Amino acid sequence: EIVLTQSPGTLSLSPGERATLSCRASQSVSSSYLAWYQQKPGQAPRLLIYGASSRATGIPDRFSGSGSGTDFTLTISRLEPEDFAVYYCQQYDSSPRWTFGQGTKVEIK
Amino acid sequence: QLQLQESGPGLVKPSETLSLTCTVSGGSISSSSYYWGWIRQPPGKGLEWIGSIYYSGSTYYNPSLKSRVTISVDTSKNQFSLKLSSVTAADMAVYYCARTLSHYYSYMDVWGKGTTVTVSS
Repeated sequence: EIVLTQSPGTLSLSPGERATLSCRASQSVSSSYLAWYQQKPGQAPRLLIYGASSRATGIPDRFSGSGSGTDFTLTISRLEPEDFAVYYCQQYDSSPRWTFGQGTKVEIK
Repeated sequence: QLQLQESGPGLVKPSETLSLTCTVSGGSISSSSYYWGWIRQPPGKGLEWIGSIYYSGSTYYNPSLKSRVTISVDTSKNQFSLKLSSVTAADMAVYYCARTLSHYYSYMDVWGKGTTVTVSS
């Protein structure tokens, strides 16, 4: 089973700052199968990034994803007030099985 | 626009079976490009994949829940369903259904709003 570990657990930043979120896998993950989601309180998760670096439909270009193998990063270039939320990475393996990281909360400093 | 809607009892007694249905509207559940899955989120915690089904009926379950989970599909009603047996307080969560692409890429692009399940006598 591939385990995804996200860091930090909480990121305290101000609007306008840059956010860098990490997702580390216990084994190599195909970039095609790495996705990022945003979840706000009381809402379902929303797909942000798929294929490690492709933005989903309607996602602003301040969101970007990168990485390969076991290390992946979600970057928010300039935080907007609506970006304060919890972010999850997710991977798929050929079992097939889908697993999520434990999440990173981006909170207002 | 594709929409998913979870339905089912919000209260289940310990040791009984949780049953939920996800109704797909605005598109067909019989698309060969997608799986249809269940994900849950206990209060204040992260997301856990429960299992997924292909329109043909092939099922895939989280090994940690496999002995208690059954997912089925009814293409005539454009629905898929979750049954989780022998529930305990640890099964209390918001349960989401989601469409999952698994062709070259894999991601969950359409989610239901979620339904809260409480386990209590």
